[in-house]
Amino acid sequence: QKEVEQDPGPLSVPEGAIVSLNCTYSNSAFQYFMWYRQYSRKGPELLMYTYSSGNKEDGRFTAQVDKSSKYISLFIRDSQPSDSATYLCAMSRSGGYQKVTFGTGTKLQVIP
Amino acid sequence: GAVVSQHPSRVICKSGTSVKIECRSLDFQATTMFWYRQFPKQSLMLMATSNEGSKATYEQGVEKDKFLINHASLTLSTLTVTSAHPEDSSFYICSASALDGQPQHFGDGTRLSIL
Repeated sequence: QKEVEQDPGPLSVPEGAIVSLNCTYSNSAFQYFMWYRQYSRKGPELLMYTYSSGNKEDGRFTAQVDKSSKYISLFIRDSQPSDSATYLCAMSRSGGYQKVTFGTGTKLQVIP
Repeated sequence: GAVVSQHPSRVICKSGTSVKIECRSLDFQATTMFWYRQFPKQSLMLMATSNEGSKATYEQGVEKDKFLINHASLTLSTLTVTSAHPEDSSFYICSASALDGQPQHFGDGTRLSIL
């Protein structure tokens, strides 16, 4: 069993839809949770960064962490064609200097 | 802030050549940098953790003599793929964190193609 499971998609939605992306994990030691967006042939770009359980909102993006269920989510409101990319969840036991474990990524396509 | 620059973005070379990839933190000092490898349609695989002024820590299965890492300053880490072969063709990405407890920021990657 992988430490982090993420549905690879692809996920195709119409412009303006609400998108829900999810990851589950098995290691209860994870405390820091990230979502990265990766465009083709580019490095991952940090979208959201949360510590422990709870919600965090930034513009059209909301990240949720439920440590009791070992489940994290990223919601994208009013999705735009420019949101079309691969979204990677990532997590670590502690912050920046520690090893990060990534999900396999979900490919999202937002259709105009 | 927290910009990481990687160079070159694309390399095409003959089998047997050694290739050096640079990773720079532009607006912060990075004691620790990370090197990843990504195959098509797959996630990032950590290769090694680069520590300024000391030896890199390699993940299991990564040949340290094949992938030489040097972290000579607080803003620069290099990855050298020695005697590269077609199976080394991949997308190599580095990352760094400005402070412990802060998330890693990534460079734009280097696409390496060995003919």
